[in-house]
Order: sequence, then C-alpha cells, then structure tokens
Amino acid sequence: GIQVEQSPPDLILQEGANSTLRCNFSDSVNNLQWFHQNPWGQLINLFYIPSGTKQNGRLSATTVATERYSLLYISSSQTTDSGVYFCAIRRQGGSEKLVFGKGTKLTVNP
Amino acid sequence: DTGVSQDPRHKITKRGQNVTFRCDPISEHNRLYWYRQTLGQGPEFLTYFQNEAQLEKSRLLSDRFSAERPKGSFSTLEIQRTEQGDSAMYLCASSFLGGAANEKLFFGSGTQLSVL
Repeated sequence: GIQVEQSPPDLILQEGANSTLRCNFSDSVNNLQWFHQNPWGQLINLFYIPSGTKQNGRLSATTVATERYSLLYISSSQTTDSGVYFCAIRRQGGSEKLVFGKGTKLTVNP
Repeated sequence: DTGVSQDPRHKITKRGQNVTFRCDPISEHNRLYWYRQTLGQGPEFLTYFQNEAQLEKSRLLSDRFSAERPKGSFSTLEIQRTEQGDSAMYLCASSFLGGAANEKLFFGSGTQLSVL
C-alpha cells in the first residue's frame, strides 16, 4: 500500500520560533490533508492541499505532487500550537480511504 | 452546523462484552468514515459509507465488528465479544463529496474504549 512518512517525529520549540514539518508519500495522490490533533485528542482539519500552496494565518502548506512531498510551515509558534500534526493522503486511482502518517509531535514551550 | 458528534465519549467494558458507538455526522454530509487510533499512532481506516451504502471495509475490521448507517444519517459501530486488543480511540469523520472533488474530512472527538 501507499506509504506516508512524516518528519521529524518530535519537535520542541520556544514560543515565537518557526518550524517546518514534512510529509513524504510513495505514490500519486488526489487528496492530501493536514490535521492538528490537540492534547485533548480532537483532530482539526488544517488544509486540503493535494497540490500548490495555501496560507491560513500563521500556517501555510505547500505540496509538490510531482516530487511526492508536502510541507507545513508554522510561523511565530504559540503554546496552543502544541499537539500532533498528521498528514493524510488518498492514492490516485486507489481506495477511497485516507492513509495517515505517524505524525509529528510538536511541543511549544513558553 | 454543530460538527461531528460521537457518543459515548468514554466506554469501559469487560472482555467478552458487546459495545456500540454512535456517530452523528455534519448534516448533509454524504460520506461517513470510521477510524481507530492507538497511542502514538496515526488513525487507521476501518470503513466508510456513502449515504447508506458501506463501500469499503479494512481487513482490520474482523467479523466481530459491524457498522451501519441505516438512513444515510447517523452511524453505529458495534464490537462483539470485545478483546483487550480492541482498546483504542474510535474516531468518526464525515465529508461531502460533490462535483468539485475537494473532499475535506471533519472528525468527531472520538470514543475512547478500554477493555479490561
């Protein structure tokens, strides 16, 4: 099946720092989403981004589909950004399921 | 729009008992997904419905698991003869698949199952 690899697995930042999270995938995709799982377990949809670049406040994401990776940028991080960030993909021409990576655990210290 | 609602929030049961979880999707969403998540892992796909039709089931979904979405609205996930390995967070998500094909999933808060 399709493979989704996220890096780094863990990231610790001071408030105000910037960070880049990466998602590599092994096949062509027609759906790619980034989620944030907060410390209470709620998964929040951040971006639908199978290709191109989007921005939402301090967050932005870029997917280069031809090179099979996506990046999530967090600028001026805040303690509320802490949690686990997941990349999820749907293989083009395959199953309709979204396959999740193992996530990047982000801790932002005050 | 009140979001995806799951009930109960927590469930503790003894091995061998049956449990049932409920998911109420965002109204007018035509797709509903069930996922399972264990500690330190990403969510794993179990099954999904488009309207009332169950279109795909994972091999993770043994014959002890059954899911329904009888009127294309809410869904139930039942686990029979629970085992300790069933302990996990069970997540429901819904989406609207329309002509634009930009399908975004919205998740509920999950049901945390503990099998003793």
